Amino acid sequence: DAKTTQPTSMDCAEGRAANLPCNHSTISGNEYVYWYRQIHSQGPQYIIHGLKNNETNEMASLIITEDRKSSTLILPHATLRDTAVYYCIVRAAGGGNKLTFGTGTQLKVEL
Amino acid sequence: DSGVTQTPKHLITATGQRVTLRCSPRSGDLSVYWYQQSLDQGLQFLIQYYNGEERAKGNILERFSAQQFPDLHSELNLSSLELGDSALYFCASSPRTGTLNYEQFFGPGTRLTVL
Repeated sequence: DAKTTQPTSMDCAEGRAANLPCNHSTISGNEYVYWYRQIHSQGPQYIIHGLKNNETNEMASLIITEDRKSSTLILPHATLRDTAVYYCIVRAAGGGNKLTFGTGTQLKVEL
Repeated sequence: DSGVTQTPKHLITATGQRVTLRCSPRSGDLSVYWYQQSLDQGLQFLIQYYNGEERAKGNILERFSAQQFPDLHSELNLSSLELGDSALYFCASSPRTGTLNYEQFFGPGTRLTVL
């Protein structure tokens, strides 16, 4: 699975959009981008995933660049409850289902 | 609430001891995964079972073993415990295996402290 690079930490004001970047420059054509988050030692929570098209669900939007070498997770209106570590994971189709977590981005949402 | 349950929530034991962690997957999920989260190693995949059979292995020590029972619950056995085994142990489940679009649902974890 491709390696990902994320900033160690980010801050965001409550009510504003949180844009979390992820670099995955070695991604292969059959590899998906997944985002999970972990709120203070709770079990990780799935957010969204995509292959090459932008995706949106009730939690977030995922923007993948055309060359697929990077992506951005967008939380449109961040709240204090969105404070968490966000993990960007690249996973190959048919490569088994294990998740390989990096160090993630600690997002802190403040008043 | 993900629908995945883990017991116990906390476990404190001594070096050299053996413990068993239990996981009940979401209703209908056939795949169970175990992950370890320690301060120095982060979240690491240990092992996966699918419908009772071992499907994938990660960084699992030989002192650790797991199994999945006919009712699909799973147990992770940790023996000859060392101080470095202190960690959060998460179980996750998903409906199937080999199908990429099924996300994993994580339980609340078991916090193991080895003294």
